[in-house]
Amino acid sequence: EAQVTQNPRYLITVTGKKLTVTCSQNMNHEYMSWYRQDPGLGLRQIYYSMNVEVTDKGDVPEGYKVSRKEKRNFPLILESPSPNQTSLYFCASRAPFTGELFFGEGSRLTVL
Amino acid sequence: RKEVEQDPGPFNVPEGATVAFNCTYSNSASQSFFWYRQDCRKEPKLLMSVYSSGNEDGRFTAQLNRASQYISLLIRDSKLSDSATYLCVVNPMNSGYSTLTFGKGTMLLVSP
Repeated sequence: EAQVTQNPRYLITVTGKKLTVTCSQNMNHEYMSWYRQDPGLGLRQIYYSMNVEVTDKGDVPEGYKVSRKEKRNFPLILESPSPNQTSLYFCASRAPFTGELFFGEGSRLTVL
Repeated sequence: RKEVEQDPGPFNVPEGATVAFNCTYSNSASQSFFWYRQDCRKEPKLLMSVYSSGNEDGRFTAQLNRASQYISLLIRDSKLSDSATYLCVVNPMNSGYSTLTFGKGTMLLVSP
């Protein structure tokens, strides 16, 4: 089954404790992206990657890092999480011809 | 003017009603347009792409008006299962899909 898998799905952490949200896709897509979704603000892009070893900032990259060492994985790293990073995070990969985005089920992060 | 604007709703309609959503975009160079559907606390999923000539998929019709820079989604014979948030998505780039811009979504509530 074609899918994008994120882990963890739910996480409560404290300020300053580094965490990583993993994302993996099995569709051999070159493009992957991370979004955060907040009430009243909609989906905002954090980082995206056009291919392995190619990453770029989206609209709200501050406080986040990413890496793309292999095509299927695109982890999101919060080096020193802060309460304003409490949000619902989505990873997505994009089909090359249709442009359709396939989203993971989301990771709900709470930073205390 | 915001890049992609949608009426947040909620639109409350009875079963069987016809409902229409509009979405305006600011970048006249935008090339690709999509409607996504997001159920509460779930990931967005592609509903349909929007083509220049307009397109229909069952009860759903999408149209593009480049001159006025808006796209629309028409839902006929609304079902309870149509209750969701509908996201307008625009690719503002002339080539490639390096970034997609999401509207904040329009909420639809279909009641018995």
